Amino acid sequence: EVQLVQSGAEVKKPGESLKISCRVSGYFFTNYWIGWMRQMPGKGLEWMGIIYPGDSDIKYDPSFQGQVTISADKSINTAYLQLNSLRASDTAIYYCARFWQHLDHFDYWGQGTRVTVSS
Amino acid sequence: NFMLTQPHSVSESPGKTVIISCTGSNGSIASKFVQWYQQRPGSAPTAVVYQDNQRPSGVPDRFSGSIDSSSNSASLTISALKTEDEADYYCQSHDSNNWVFGGGTKLTVL
Repeated sequence: EVQLVQSGAEVKKPGESLKISCRVSGYFFTNYWIGWMRQMPGKGLEWMGIIYPGDSDIKYDPSFQGQVTISADKSINTAYLQLNSLRASDTAIYYCARFWQHLDHFDYWGQGTRVTVSS
Repeated sequence: NFMLTQPHSVSESPGKTVIISCTGSNGSIASKFVQWYQQRPGSAPTAVVYQDNQRPSGVPDRFSGSIDSSSNSASLTISALKTEDEADYYCQSHDSNNWVFGGGTKLTVL
């Protein structure tokens, strides 16, 4: 069974950093892209970036380039999203999702990680 | 950059048919595949249509997708509406370097 399990909810102060994890199981981690999406309170989905763990090829949405870092550790089948210099506007739910390239869609999603940034 | 625009909300009665549009700008929507995702409150999204008009396993055939090149738009049609279809729906597409979501449409079934 394919599963993507994300790390738990976080409460951070402005200026702090945060690394969210997405641990996958049930398939070959290196064979599928993993994307990261943001959903701000009451708003829609925003694509942030995507990584191919097989060769660490990474693509970022220009709006998030330089603001976040996406990485992966093949040894533990885990992808990461690092958020630096957090601001209140980073308060959101962050989702990881597997992208099935052959069929062009995000077919499995993590449960989401709620991040609250507040002083 | 390629963008996708959706109506903010639509509403329809149970048993009826609703069509949700997704209009592309700064590029041809027909040159890229379009996917549709359903998101119920408090849950992660799930795909209901991929590659313009294909349904993932388990998605009922009440859900269908189409592309209209003349209007540079994609559509998600949900027939025989059920109250359980009430959710937010997002279109999505991508090219080799960018993935994009539409702003989402809130479907109310009343």
